[in-house]
Amino acid sequence: EIVLTQSPGTLSLSPGERATLSCRASQSVGSRYLVWYQQKPGQAPRLLIYGASSRATGIPDRFSGSGSGTDFTLMISRLEPEDFAVYYCQHYGTSQHTFGQGTKLEIK
Amino acid sequence: QVHLVESGGGLVKPGGSLRLSCVASGFPLSDYYMSWVRQAPGKGLEWISWSGSGVGYTDYADSVKGRFTISRDNAKNSLYLEMNSLRVEDTAVYYCARGANLDSWGQGTLVSVST
Repeated sequence: EIVLTQSPGTLSLSPGERATLSCRASQSVGSRYLVWYQQKPGQAPRLLIYGASSRATGIPDRFSGSGSGTDFTLMISRLEPEDFAVYYCQHYGTSQHTFGQGTKLEIK
Repeated sequence: QVHLVESGGGLVKPGGSLRLSCVASGFPLSDYYMSWVRQAPGKGLEWISWSGSGVGYTDYADSVKGRFTISRDNAKNSLYLEMNSLRVEDTAVYYCARGANLDSWGQGTLVSVST
């Protein structure tokens, strides 16, 4: 089973700042199988990024994804108040589709 | 418009069983890979099972393997999760989601396992 480790666990930033979230895999993951989700309190998760770098429908261009192999990054260029949430990475490159433990992005 | 609605959650004693349903609308279930994901109170997301669009293609997380069974009825555009031998640690909100990259999610149904 591939283990995904996200860092940091919590990120405290102010609106307008840039956020960089990391997702590291215990073994190489095909980029096409790496996705990012956003979850706000009381809501279901929402797909943000698929294929490591492609934005899902309706996702603003301040969100971007990058990476390959074992290291992947989600960047939010200029934080808006609605971006403060929990972010998860996930892979589906093997039959076991594991999630990272999440990064909480909170207002500083 | 894609819409997923889960139902069937509730309170059950340890060792008991439940069957969750997920009714899809706005797309043909038969064309899509579908998944179940759960979230324990205050915890992160846990993938637990997927069902491929082809017959018989399924897999499970080790935490539920042998106890949970995923199935689908394409004619009813519905996905199911049969949960047996439930444990306290299975308490969670259970979501169904479309596709391998989970591009659409239901609102979830709460399963509570407690004495």
